[in-house]
Amino acid sequence: AQSVTQLDSQVPVFEEAPVELRCNYSSSVSVYLFWYVQYPNQGLQLLLKYLSGSTLVESINGFEAEFNKSQTSFHLRKPSVHISDTAEYFCAVSDLFGSSASKIIFGSGTRLSIRP
Amino acid sequence: DAGVTQSPTHLIKTRGQQVTLRCSPISGHKSVSWYQQVLGQGPQFIFQYYEKEERGRGNFPDRFSARQFPNYSSELNVNALLLGDSALYLCASSLRGQDTQYFGPGTRLLVL
Repeated sequence: AQSVTQLDSQVPVFEEAPVELRCNYSSSVSVYLFWYVQYPNQGLQLLLKYLSGSTLVESINGFEAEFNKSQTSFHLRKPSVHISDTAEYFCAVSDLFGSSASKIIFGSGTRLSIRP
Repeated sequence: DAGVTQSPTHLIKTRGQQVTLRCSPISGHKSVSWYQQVLGQGPQFIFQYYEKEERGRGNFPDRFSARQFPNYSSELNVNALLLGDSALYLCASSLRGQDTQYFGPGTRLLVL
């Protein structure tokens, strides 16, 4: 079975500092990888996704993630964070099963807190 | 276009009661999935439906059931509620099931 490991449960950083949220997955087959963000008391929003092609994927708000097959990693980075980035970030992998079904397997989440 | 919508936003029930949660997918999406997110954890897969048929079920007891209607909306039912069922219940929609899933705001259920 596939699994996702987020190595840090909490990451505190100062505003305008760079940040990296680490994620490793276990899979021996092709995978679809995602980062979702959850702001306080809200649902999940898709931040970015890797399906195929370029290993570096970007979001519209400055985050990027790099798919590294040899290290089975999909770390999330941002060169300069803002207070508004304070949220819980979930790394996830799509687990295909049956002929036409899939489920998302989530990591345990990383709480990003930004200090002014 | 409207995103995934869920109702109600919050719900309080007592142990042993039954609850029904509702979800409307993004227009054009034919697949709906349900997830349970317990406080402090990542979401856990409960069900996936596509074209009104159950395509997958997670490791949840039979007290949990769901269905999908001809308009692709869906309901999640939980019977004989337990305290441990207190969670945020998330609905996600996708075009066919094996593609990107987009989540709704969730229904927060508290069982007393």
